[in-house]
Amino acid sequence: GQQVMQIPQYQHVQEGEDFTTYCNSSTTLSNIQWYKQRPGGHPVFLIQLVKSGEVKKQKRLTFQFGEAKKNSSLHITATQTTDVGTYFCAGPRTGGFKTIFGAGTRLFVKA
Amino acid sequence: NAGVTQTPKFRILKIGQSMTLQCTQDMNHNYMYWYRQDPGMGLKLIYYSVGAGITDKGEVPNGYNVSRSTTEDFPLRLELAAPSQTSVYFCASSYGHRGASNQPQHFGDGTRLSIL
Repeated sequence: GQQVMQIPQYQHVQEGEDFTTYCNSSTTLSNIQWYKQRPGGHPVFLIQLVKSGEVKKQKRLTFQFGEAKKNSSLHITATQTTDVGTYFCAGPRTGGFKTIFGAGTRLFVKA
Repeated sequence: NAGVTQTPKFRILKIGQSMTLQCTQDMNHNYMYWYRQDPGMGLKLIYYSVGAGITDKGEVPNGYNVSRSTTEDFPLRLELAAPSQTSVYFCASSYGHRGASNQPQHFGDGTRLSIL
């Protein structure tokens, strides 16, 4: 069946270091979304990418959508303790109204 | 603008009890969803609805029921609670239509449910 996989599962960084999480889909996606969930919180929508090769930036966060529209990445430059949380990618499930979420990458930032 | 509101925030149930998790949204979204999230894990879709009167199963529907009588409300019913249903339950909503079903979802704060 359709799968969306994220790596790594978790990552520990020192504050100020960069961080990247990767999202890989078993199928071509019409779009991909990224969400952030703070510890004890709920997922919050960050961004949606639609075009092949698209790159979008939000302050220290850079999002990319692969040329084949099967992979995506989120890069955080100079992490801060406020970046702590789990980052999920999500794409449309084939043939339906549903969304398929990756398992998430949990980011720990040490001050 | 409250967004998506879930009640209760916490609940402890005994095995075999039943309860309804409430979810309401004030954004006039036609799509609504129920997810469960086990500790350290991702989101699993329980049920979803594309409009009032229309519901369908997600990945893990067993042991749950839903109804969608209005655009705003999407309650989730647990019948005969089991320890395996201990989880955090999130309700979400979004705009959507057949040509663009994967629209950004707005999540409620969640209900933390323990079955003992």
